[in-house]
Amino acid sequence: RKEVEQDPGPFNVPEGATVAFNCTYSNSASQSFFWYRQDCRKEPKLLMSVYSSGNEDGRFTAQLNRASQYISLLIRDSKLSDSATYLCVLSGGSNYKLTFGKGTLLTVNP
Amino acid sequence: EAGVAQSPRYKIIEKRQSVAFWCNPISGHATLYWYQQILGQGPKLLIQFQNNGVVDDSQLPKDRFSAERLKGVDSTLKIQPAKLEDSAVYLCASSLVQRGDISYEQYFGPGTRLTVT
Repeated sequence: RKEVEQDPGPFNVPEGATVAFNCTYSNSASQSFFWYRQDCRKEPKLLMSVYSSGNEDGRFTAQLNRASQYISLLIRDSKLSDSATYLCVLSGGSNYKLTFGKGTLLTVNP
Repeated sequence: EAGVAQSPRYKIIEKRQSVAFWCNPISGHATLYWYQQILGQGPKLLIQFQNNGVVDDSQLPKDRFSAERLKGVDSTLKIQPAKLEDSAVYLCASSLVQRGDISYEQYFGPGTRLTVT
């Protein structure tokens, strides 16, 4: 089983749609969880951290279920500018090493 | 605040040639990372430095890849000799020193796109 598995995508949605990305991980010792965003031919940037209690940042909601080893990202009212690859990322170990999923490509269409 | 700087941005070499990439982290960031991102994949950590010491190089192909951070600031990553499968984007990232239960954000540079022909 891969360390981090994400929905393969790609996702094509119209503006205003709600879209959800799912991610599962195999290492139960993982300590921190994140969603990163990567625009085409650009570097990854932190979108948000993910907490067990769930957290929201504007139109974005992230959830973590440690028992099921499952992470999700919900984007409401999609904008054209949300088009990007979304990377599920874990951190763990004494050196806080980041482990990235393959990413899920989202295209929001007008 | 200046971000992570990398050069060159693009490099094309033939297999068996050598290549070097340079990274200058954000000022004050003691931790520096080199990642390899193959097309269609997420970034994979190659090596992590804290100041000028190596913290993790478990995924660095040491027969051909080397990296150094001699003065604890900027860093170079070298590939010698290059193989076709080394074609990828090489990303440098930096962060404050990770300690305790605090995981600081890693900031990425724009990357170097390497093509090996």
